[in-house]
Amino acid sequence: DQQVKQNSPSLSVQEGRISILNCDYTNSMFDYFLWYKKYPAEGPTFLISISSIKDKNEDGRFTVFLNKSAKHLSLHIVPSQPGDSAVYFCAASGGGGSNYKLTFGKGTLLTVNP
Amino acid sequence: EPEVTQTPSHQVTQMGQEVILRCVPISNHLYFYWYRQILGQKVEFLVSFYNNEISEKSEIFDDQFSVERPDGSNFTLKIRSTKLEDSAMYFCASNINLAGGVYEQYFGPGTRLTVT
Repeated sequence: DQQVKQNSPSLSVQEGRISILNCDYTNSMFDYFLWYKKYPAEGPTFLISISSIKDKNEDGRFTVFLNKSAKHLSLHIVPSQPGDSAVYFCAASGGGGSNYKLTFGKGTLLTVNP
Repeated sequence: EPEVTQTPSHQVTQMGQEVILRCVPISNHLYFYWYRQILGQKVEFLVSFYNNEISEKSEIFDDQFSVERPDGSNFTLKIRSTKLEDSAMYFCASNINLAGGVYEQYFGPGTRLTVT
């Protein structure tokens, strides 16, 4: 039951260029979306989030875009830095009494090459 | 910066044994969660806990699992009789205030549980 899908298991970009990580979802009850970054042997670290009432949220080098009609969101990192190399998880949270548990995608391994 | 802590970092146990995984959430947070990640798979929700009771649990969270907040700081996950398939990373997370519209959950570093 893949309600949150990250179809690219890996992405490689050059330092200084833009990284674009994509995420699709199927559950229309989701109303809040989050991106987490995870290094090996560590827990997920919150990066940025967006409510379904918005289509863009920006925080420094990180911008998340939400296209509700397409049930698609993306995370843009610009400029990419070698320290950004990690697994990035897209997560979604639904209203309607779900208690806001997070449903995660499988993750995308981002490698930023110097 | 406040953070969620978890102990132990790695737990090895024999099948059928009980294990208790411990977490100290961020001190002013009110909502607590356990997730797990089996190697190579995605992070999966197990249970959420608020106001000293379970608020939601997944189908994974069967009668072998229980959670407790025994004091004002610790949040524990107990597995009564471990199975091989319980081997995974277990993450604790906490959230400050859903009613305030803050949905971000903050995760601990995880406990790697290995059942042999």
